[in-house]
Amino acid sequence: GAGVSQSPSNKVTEKGKDVELRCDPISGHTALYWYRQRLGQGLEFLIYFQGNSAPDKSGLPSDRFSAERTGESVSTLTIQRTQQEDSAVYLCASSFRTGGGYGYTFGSGTRLTVV
Amino acid sequence: ELKVEQNPLFLSMQEGKNYTIYCNYSTTSDRLYWYRQDPGKSLESLFVLLSNGAVKQEGRLMASLDTKARLSTLHITAAVHDLSATYFCAVTFGNEKLTFGTGTRLTIIP
Repeated sequence: GAGVSQSPSNKVTEKGKDVELRCDPISGHTALYWYRQRLGQGLEFLIYFQGNSAPDKSGLPSDRFSAERTGESVSTLTIQRTQQEDSAVYLCASSFRTGGGYGYTFGSGTRLTVV
Repeated sequence: ELKVEQNPLFLSMQEGKNYTIYCNYSTTSDRLYWYRQDPGKSLESLFVLLSNGAVKQEGRLMASLDTKARLSTLHITAAVHDLSATYFCAVTFGNEKLTFGTGTRLTIIP
């Protein structure tokens, strides 16, 4: 597609429920990144994929968070047993490949609210 | 651990004035990026700086990089209201994940 697509754009969930956030990267982009942005804060790195592998998961805040990528395309970020502190905007970015020189394109994000 | 600091965190300036946002990072970096974010929106790429002494300009914005000082600046010339946004710098090192600064919320006052 023309850009990075994320869905849903907004999600309100009850505390304790599981949620899945989806990211469709730009076609042909092999690198995919997930970030979290709390209200008024900067972006925290969560995880990145090169192809379907995740070389760096160091930013996942707890074992309630997991992510997968299939077909070197769509990625899903899953948060189990959501907590109020999980409320944030979750941003996805893709790049032609790792190496940074190709730039990063960000999606519009999923705004998650845990009530 | 790579740390990126920006200052100021908040900046309110009058239209027509000049100002500079500073971005310091703690270890050697491969590349430095500047992004703009409007409220409720995603990030828009402004500049990528690759080497020491690099300078890039687009309209009223100019970014520079001093790798020896581990410092980048984003200079705003003759500010206009449309430049009101939050500006982030970010660096990459090693595995190419972006590490972001805290952001500078810029408000241009008429």
